[in-house]
Amino acid sequence: GQNIDQPTEMTATEGAIVQINCTYQTSGFNGLFWYQQHAGEAPTFLSYNVLDGLEEKGRFSSFLSRSKGYSYLLLKELQMKDSASYLCAVADDKIIFGKGTRLHILP
Amino acid sequence: GAVVSQHPSRVICKSGTSVKIECRSLDFQATTMFWYRQFPKQSLMLMATSNEGSKATYEQGVEKDKFLINHASLTLSTLTVTSAHPEDSSFYICSARGAGEGDEQFFGPGTRLTVL
Repeated sequence: GQNIDQPTEMTATEGAIVQINCTYQTSGFNGLFWYQQHAGEAPTFLSYNVLDGLEEKGRFSSFLSRSKGYSYLLLKELQMKDSASYLCAVADDKIIFGKGTRLHILP
Repeated sequence: GAVVSQHPSRVICKSGTSVKIECRSLDFQATTMFWYRQFPKQSLMLMATSNEGSKATYEQGVEKDKFLINHASLTLSTLTVTSAHPEDSSFYICSARGAGEGDEQFFGPGTRLTVL
């Protein structure tokens, strides 16, 4: 079966660094996505990893270990606008989403 | 990134009526479109996958006679919620993937359906 796990909620302080973990078990693998979703809006694309290692894009980085079925999204220099849900999604023949991690940023 | 639009953005209807939601890819040809629904504070749930010119593939537990999907062209897919009931109230989001776009999906802005 397909299973994607990520923490339900996390809290961090403005200016700090936070890491959101995602573990997955899927029958196939064609890549892993991270999306950001603000309440009431559609998800927006953050990153895509298909090979092992770290992908850096500005304040956001995403890491993948295929052998461990593990990824994380790293957010640096947190800003209040980063308060959102972060969705881990795995591509098999379709894209399956995790339940999302609600990130709360404290001033 | 590519642009996907959805219309309407918000709809309120009476129980028993049907509602059609349109999803359009504005600057690319979407060979595959996906329809998701999302309940408050929950993740996206894939309802169906549609390929242009063929019947949609529905996920387990999704009633195909209730959620009619048509993907008549490479830029348009529609989702019709037939005989809507209050439990169908949800946020419906489409996404599109084009040939040569890799696996990235481009999401529409979503449609909030409220059934009274």
